[in-house]
Amino acid sequence: EIVLTQSPGTLSLSPGERATLSCRASRSVSGRSLLWYQQKPGQAPRLLIYAASSRATGIPDRFSGSGSGTDFTLTISRLEPEDFAVYYCQQYDTSWWTFGQGTKVEIK
Amino acid sequence: EVELLGSGGGLVQPGGSLRLSCAASGFPFSTYGMSWVRQAPGKGLQWVSSISNSGTSTYYADSLKGRFTVSRDNSKNTLYLQINSLRADDTAVYYCAKHFVVVVAGARTYGMDVWGLGTTVTVSS
Repeated sequence: EIVLTQSPGTLSLSPGERATLSCRASRSVSGRSLLWYQQKPGQAPRLLIYAASSRATGIPDRFSGSGSGTDFTLTISRLEPEDFAVYYCQQYDTSWWTFGQGTKVEIK
Repeated sequence: EVELLGSGGGLVQPGGSLRLSCAASGFPFSTYGMSWVRQAPGKGLQWVSSISNSGTSTYYADSLKGRFTVSRDNSKNTLYLQINSLRADDTAVYYCAKHFVVVVAGARTYGMDVWGLGTTVTVSS
């Protein structure tokens, strides 16, 4: 089973700042199988990024994904007030799915 | 509008059983695979189970095999999750999610693009 480790656990930033979130896999994964989701309190997760770097429909271009192999990154170029949330990476491997433990982006 | 509406959660005693439902609308349900994902209070997301569009293939997280059964009724546009021998650590919000498939660089890629609001299961005596 592939384990995804996200860092940092919490990121304290101010609106307008850049956020860089990391997701590391326990072994190499296909970039096509790496996704990112955003979750706000009391809400269901929302798909942000699929195939490591493709933005989902309606996702602003301040969100970008990159990476390959075992190291993947979600970048929010300029934080807006609505971006403060928890972010999860996810991967699938022949119909089995795993999530990272999440990174909370909080207002500093 | 594409929508998933989960139901069937509630307060159950340890050892009990529950069947969760997820009613789909706004898309051709029988075309897409589906998943259940749960979230314990204050914790992260945990994939529980997936089912193919036809229902012939099912998949479970290794740690949950044996007590969980996923199924679907394409004539009713509904996904189900049967949970038996409930334990306190099954307490969570259970989300259903629709799969999507796109072709990226000539190869299929998958994800979960629509999520239900979630139904809460509480296991307690």
